[in-house]
Amino acid sequence: NAGVTQTPKFRILKIGQSMTLQCTQDMNHNYMYWYRQDPGMGLKLIYYSVGAGITDKGEVPNGYNVSRSTTEDFPLRLELAAPSQTSVYFCASSQTGVGSPLHFGNGTRLTVT
Amino acid sequence: AQSVTQLGSHVSVSEGALVLLRCNYSSSVPPYLFWYVQYPNQGLQLLLKYTSAATLVKGINGFEAEFKKSETSFHLTKPSAHMSDAAEYFCAVSGGGSEKLVFGKGTKLTVNP
Repeated sequence: NAGVTQTPKFRILKIGQSMTLQCTQDMNHNYMYWYRQDPGMGLKLIYYSVGAGITDKGEVPNGYNVSRSTTEDFPLRLELAAPSQTSVYFCASSQTGVGSPLHFGNGTRLTVT
Repeated sequence: AQSVTQLGSHVSVSEGALVLLRCNYSSSVPPYLFWYVQYPNQGLQLLLKYTSAATLVKGINGFEAEFKKSETSFHLTKPSAHMSDAAEYFCAVSGGGSEKLVFGKGTKLTVNP
């Protein structure tokens, strides 16, 4: 049972480039989340989804987009990378949303230069 | 809106000593409270979860946390620290009509031999 899988593990982007961070889960969870983690700042929610076809903004959505065409996949798109998007990105899933523990992937470390 | 405050961004203890990591929350309704642990270069893992069934919650690896409504606290403790406990610990809260999990900024625990 793989759980939550994120790819790539590391990526370096130039300013203005675009990329998609991939996230897939094999637990049949309806809820999926994208967080970014910056040193000393904890985790900030970027976007979340309560099921296929349904997404909503979190605390820091600017500069990002998401889609949820299947239960398993929840990709995060960066359209015009900026240095402020240098961070570690975590995808997570949960079975029933509020009150349900999150299962995290191992993260993608992104550097924008 | 819910919020979480973790007192002390860094805590250092000796091996065998008591571990106490502090977490205070604000929520207008009884919340769901969580502690997660993050080992270097990994995602977060659930340590324990409070859901109102009992005020003292036992988690993995010998950790436990006590919910104190009057103090709006959910401090994490372990009687005897082990070198393998060195990690970053995050307190988080959800509930009150929100699907979102709000994280504290984290406390990095160092265990000295």
